[in-house]
Amino acid sequence: ETGVTQSPTHLIKTRGQQVTLRCSSQSGHNTVSWYQQALGQGPQFIFQYYREEENGRGNFPPRFSGLQFPNYSSELNVNALELDDSALYLCASSLDPLVGGQETQYFGPGTRLLVL
Amino acid sequence: QKEVEQDPGPLSVPEGAIVSLNCTYSNSAFQYFMWYRQYSRKGPELLMYTYSSGNKEDGRFTAQVDKSSKYISLFIRDSQPSDSATYLCAMTDPTHDYKLSFGAGTTVTVRA
Repeated sequence: ETGVTQSPTHLIKTRGQQVTLRCSSQSGHNTVSWYQQALGQGPQFIFQYYREEENGRGNFPPRFSGLQFPNYSSELNVNALELDDSALYLCASSLDPLVGGQETQYFGPGTRLLVL
Repeated sequence: QKEVEQDPGPLSVPEGAIVSLNCTYSNSAFQYFMWYRQYSRKGPELLMYTYSSGNKEDGRFTAQVDKSSKYISLFIRDSQPSDSATYLCAMTDPTHDYKLSFGAGTTVTVRA
């Protein structure tokens, strides 16, 4: 077990709706990254948060947004859902860069989102 | 061309065989190289990570990195049915916030 939890495990939404996915990481893991994994593909980097601020972003539109909270929890929000947003959404946490070890990311079990 | 290329397989081997997996990449700035194992409908689990070029061994697993060829490998000795999973290579450039770039994953089945 990585100590990273995600909720919900599964979710079904319709096109145009909005969704919020949640992640809780280990104490001391101040960096959280979100990835999208389409079926049969490797995870794609969405963005990263460090100490509650966005710290890097992949090739995803602004309708993908996030929040990180002081209690090691975070959220991924997706607005105006599209059919192609159907995927497994993974969060990964890593140690504070100030203490080292940030290259190692520990993944949660993911939230499987289906957009109809 | 994708930044990280990985043969998706599938790969089917008999129990006890050596499993050989590999990835190639194009970004010479990558410094950390990882292998993750992902069981069906689960999150990726970190197996091995290596900094820069060289070999690393952990039990039945050996990871190799050849930065001059931009090629990494994972070998699984004495494979077991419980090794049946999708194996993902991943790598990161420390100057870009350690975001991971993944291969597509290779699906491995070990037959009892």
